[in-house]
Amino acid sequence: EPEVTQTPSHQVTQMGQEVILRCVPISNHLYFYWYRQILGQKVEFLVSFYNNEISEKSEIFDDQFSVERPDGSNFTLKIRSTKLEDSAMYFCASSGGRGQTSYEQYFGPGTRLTVT
Amino acid sequence: DAKTTQPPSMDCAEGRAANLPCNHSTISGNEYVYWYRQIHSQGPQYIIHGLKNNETNEMASLIITEDRKSSTLILPHATLRDTAVYYCIVKTGANNLFFGTGTRLTVIP
Repeated sequence: EPEVTQTPSHQVTQMGQEVILRCVPISNHLYFYWYRQILGQKVEFLVSFYNNEISEKSEIFDDQFSVERPDGSNFTLKIRSTKLEDSAMYFCASSGGRGQTSYEQYFGPGTRLTVT
Repeated sequence: DAKTTQPPSMDCAEGRAANLPCNHSTISGNEYVYWYRQIHSQGPQYIIHGLKNNETNEMASLIITEDRKSSTLILPHATLRDTAVYYCIVKTGANNLFFGTGTRLTVIP
């Protein structure tokens, strides 16, 4: 069964460094999302992406964040200058295949980002 | 997207049916009801969704009241692996998911 994959599973970085989190969505999906979950807290929406542009973003997704679909398979989240409060699990999700009318989102296993 | 209300926690005996309620009294006519769960710190897992008819798949059944103001997720034979936080979410189309605090279901041996 197709699934969303994410790499790396765990990333440790120093404050102020740039990180890139990678996701491979389900191959025929058209909508892509990033969410994050700070330890012990709720899953929070960051950004959605469709047709090579951001379709919606939350107030968390400020100028230090960016997303890109550099080729036909990868979907990346870049954090330019990491802060301690960026430590969280980051989940990628995808939905909506061509010709489909349902939009259930399928999530990857997450990347645990630890900023020291 | 409309908000939902769920009990914070529930217990269920292993092998019995788990019935998880959700209130969504302000749901709009074009909003679907989605159920997800999160096992420990894994990625949220899609379970089932519906608009107004009852739905069933290999994981669960979804019962939506006629006025669509509430729904119940039914896990017919709960196992220990069903212990998780269950989220009821209403949304339209490809919009993002808003995760509340959900219901923490504990399946007891």
